[in-house]
Amino acid sequence: EVQLVESGGGLVQPGRSLRLSCTASGFTFGDYAMSWVRQAPGKGLEWVGFIRGKAYGGTTEYAASVKGRFTISRDDSKSIAYLQMNSLKTEDTAVFYCTRVGSQLLEYFDYWGQGTLVTVSS
Amino acid sequence: DIQMTQSPSSLSASVGDRVTITCRASQGISNYLAWYQQKPGKVPKLLIYAASTLQSGVPSRFSGSGSGTDFTLTISSLQPEDVATYYCQKYNSAPLTFGPGTKVDIK
Repeated sequence: EVQLVESGGGLVQPGRSLRLSCTASGFTFGDYAMSWVRQAPGKGLEWVGFIRGKAYGGTTEYAASVKGRFTISRDDSKSIAYLQMNSLKTEDTAVFYCTRVGSQLLEYFDYWGQGTLVTVSS
Repeated sequence: DIQMTQSPSSLSASVGDRVTITCRASQGISNYLAWYQQKPGKVPKLLIYAASTLQSGVPSRFSGSGSGTDFTLTISSLQPEDVATYYCQKYNSAPLTFGPGTKVDIK
């Protein structure tokens, strides 16, 4: 059974950093791209970014709203994807979901974690 | 960047009704479109990908169609458990944009 478990959320002050982790199980992690999607309170879904698998160079793509501030990485030996968030803003407050990308070059999201809440506030 | 719109933004229908939600892309995206269902307080769930391919385990009353810029999600016979917000998402290339969502409830 595919499982994605996010951790690392919490309350952080504006301008500070936070790192989220997504621990995966139930599939061969290295064979899949992984993505992060967020949802601000009461709002819709917003794609944050993704990282391709090693076979596709482990390259990353980001939404314009987070580019230059957020970095996605992966440790295939541990089946963990990370989201490093720097220079956080109040508008980054959201539930962050880790998702598995259905296919390396077809980036829909077939499995979702339960999400972790990040609150950016002074 | 390609923008995604959905209509209506919300709808109310009776149990057993046929429900159709439309998603439109500002430029052609071939069939690189997925649909998700998010029930209140729950995690989003993939319903359909490649515009019309039903994800494993999704009831057959859900169907998708379209290509290019215009897409539809149809629920052939609305059930109480279908109360949710439905999102489309394009994935032809980054950025991977979601539509604003369509909230469906029971009349």
